[in-house]
Amino acid sequence: GENVGLHLPTLSVQEGDNSIINCAYSNSASDYFIWYKQESGKGPQFIIDIRSNMDKRQGQRVTVLLNKTVKHLSLQIAATQPGDSAVYFCAENGGSQGNLIFGKGTKLSVKP
Amino acid sequence: GAGVSQSPSNKVTEKGKDVELRCDPISGHTALYWYRQRLGQGLEFLIYFQGNSAPDKSGLPSDRFSAERTGESVSTLTIQRTQQEDSAVYLCASSQFGGPYGTDTQYFGPGTRLTVL
Repeated sequence: GENVGLHLPTLSVQEGDNSIINCAYSNSASDYFIWYKQESGKGPQFIIDIRSNMDKRQGQRVTVLLNKTVKHLSLQIAATQPGDSAVYFCAENGGSQGNLIFGKGTKLSVKP
Repeated sequence: GAGVSQSPSNKVTEKGKDVELRCDPISGHTALYWYRQRLGQGLEFLIYFQGNSAPDKSGLPSDRFSAERTGESVSTLTIQRTQQEDSAVYLCASSQFGGPYGTDTQYFGPGTRLTVL
């Protein structure tokens, strides 16, 4: 079935560098996308979202880009910090019951 | 304000026993979701409650799984005759409105880590 997937399962970056986490989605009917951060032993924490009528949205140190032509979503983290180390999930609202469809996640490790 | 809470935070049980997991959504949220997360995996959708409507149970992995919700408040997920493959983190989320292709944010609780020996 249609689902959300991630290109990179792990990502290691140096503190202070920018991080880019990518995601592909295949449900063309999805019109709302969310990035969640999950630290060890905790539930997913909302980071930023974007609706399909936008192609870019910025938050504090984070930017989400949406390319509907190729069904691609990315999360950019500026000046990555050790506290950014976590697993990042993208999700889409294409579930038939109103549920989110999640990818497997990308583990971000920040080296001091 | 208070977020989504879940209890217990950890549950260890023996194979064959029944377990009950509890979720308290954010006050005023009409939609409540249960997901399962196996180690190192993404979130697998289980069941969704919207207001007082009967939930669609088709996402539940087997008939050993059941869930209830009282009005727009507490929900319990029950697993009967637990098996080792049920070991996972069970996450609950709530959102203000829900609905198919909803665009309101789902907020997650900390999860219940279930270990079946």
